[in-house]
Amino acid sequence: EPEVTQTPSHQVTQMGQEVILRCVPISNHLYFYWYRQILGQKVEFLVSFYNNEISEKSEIFDDQFSVERPDGSNFTLKIRSTKLEDSAMYFCASSSIRGRTEAFFGQGTRLTVV
Amino acid sequence: ELKVEQNPLFLSMQEGKNYTIYCNYSTTSDRLYWYRQDPGKSLESLFVLLSNGAVKQEGRLMASLDTKARLSTLHITAAVHDLSATYFCAVTKRFGAGTRLTVKP
Repeated sequence: EPEVTQTPSHQVTQMGQEVILRCVPISNHLYFYWYRQILGQKVEFLVSFYNNEISEKSEIFDDQFSVERPDGSNFTLKIRSTKLEDSAMYFCASSSIRGRTEAFFGQGTRLTVV
Repeated sequence: ELKVEQNPLFLSMQEGKNYTIYCNYSTTSDRLYWYRQDPGKSLESLFVLLSNGAVKQEGRLMASLDTKARLSTLHITAAVHDLSATYFCAVTKRFGAGTRLTVKP
């Protein structure tokens, strides 16, 4: 069964360092998303991506965040200068048709900023 | 700003009982999603509701959508322990706070 894969599963980084979280969406999907969840709490939307550009972003997705699809398969989230409050579980998701079908979520990357 | 509110936030029920989780949202939308999350795991899609009056059922779970009332319900019938999880509703990309369901024998 196709699935969204994320790497690494856990990343520990020093405050102020840059991190890149990687995702491989399901191969025939066209819409890609990043969410985060702090300590099992609310799931927060960060950004959606379609046709090689950001289609929507939340107020959380400020200048320290960026996304990229460097090749035909990977979808990355970069955090330029991490803060303690960036510690969270980051989920990547993809869907085939925007809004009309379910989004499939990856297993997540737990980011710990120390 | 779109607000999505779920209640209850915590639900402890006995096996075999029925209960309903409610999801209210503040602005017009014709699509709503329900997800399940087990502790320490990812989100699993349960239902996609795409129109007013939509009703979907899977096993002991049934979800419905009333776009005029801006309300969705997730009804649990004859709960079993395996249904213990956190259930989220989402409208477009905004999630509710989740309902943590515990089913006790």
